[in-house]
Amino acid sequence: GENVEQHPSTLSVQEGDSAVIKCTYSDSASNYFPWYKQELGKRPQLIIDIRSNVGEKKDQRIAVTLNKTAKHFSLHITETQPEDSAVYFCAATLTGGFKTIFGAGTRLFVKA
Amino acid sequence: GAGVSQSPSNKVTEKGKDVELRCDPISGHTALYWYRQSLGQGLEFLIYFQGNSAPDKSGLPSDRFSAERTGGSVSTLTIQRTQQEDSAVYLCASSKGGSQETQYFGPGTRLLVL
Repeated sequence: GENVEQHPSTLSVQEGDSAVIKCTYSDSASNYFPWYKQELGKRPQLIIDIRSNVGEKKDQRIAVTLNKTAKHFSLHITETQPEDSAVYFCAATLTGGFKTIFGAGTRLFVKA
Repeated sequence: GAGVSQSPSNKVTEKGKDVELRCDPISGHTALYWYRQSLGQGLEFLIYFQGNSAPDKSGLPSDRFSAERTGGSVSTLTIQRTQQEDSAVYLCASSKGGSQETQYFGPGTRLLVL
């Protein structure tokens, strides 16, 4: 069945450093890859997404890359700030469908 | 406009009882999703509804779980004969009609089965 693996489960960085979170999906029919941020006690919110016809997308300090051949996509956060501390989830949605499979999440700590 | 709302925000029940969780999606959103998030875990897909199409129930963990969406708007997730392992936060999300649309999440219902 469909599966999304996410690494690392926990990531601690110093303020100003970069953070990278990696995900691998199993179903080659996946064509949409959103990333959600969930702060403690709050609901998940979309921070960036990428579609299968694009290799890279950037939005200020956040960027996502996609390698369809390897079925691998990554989130890059540059110049991290304490407010970036949260749990980040990657996800994959199948072509033509709505079923969205989420990774297990990465808990990011940004130390001031 | 109003976001996705869910009720109740918290529910404590005894093992073996049935519970109903409600989700009000954003007005005009045709797709609605239910997820389960256990403590410190990721989001587990349960079911989604899209317009008048048959729902995708492939994520429901057992036949004790069911969901319906009336009139293409409000959805109810029902768990029958609750078990302690059902304790989790149940999140609802809605999105516009396309499959690559942003999902907007509700605040969740925290279910505790004693």
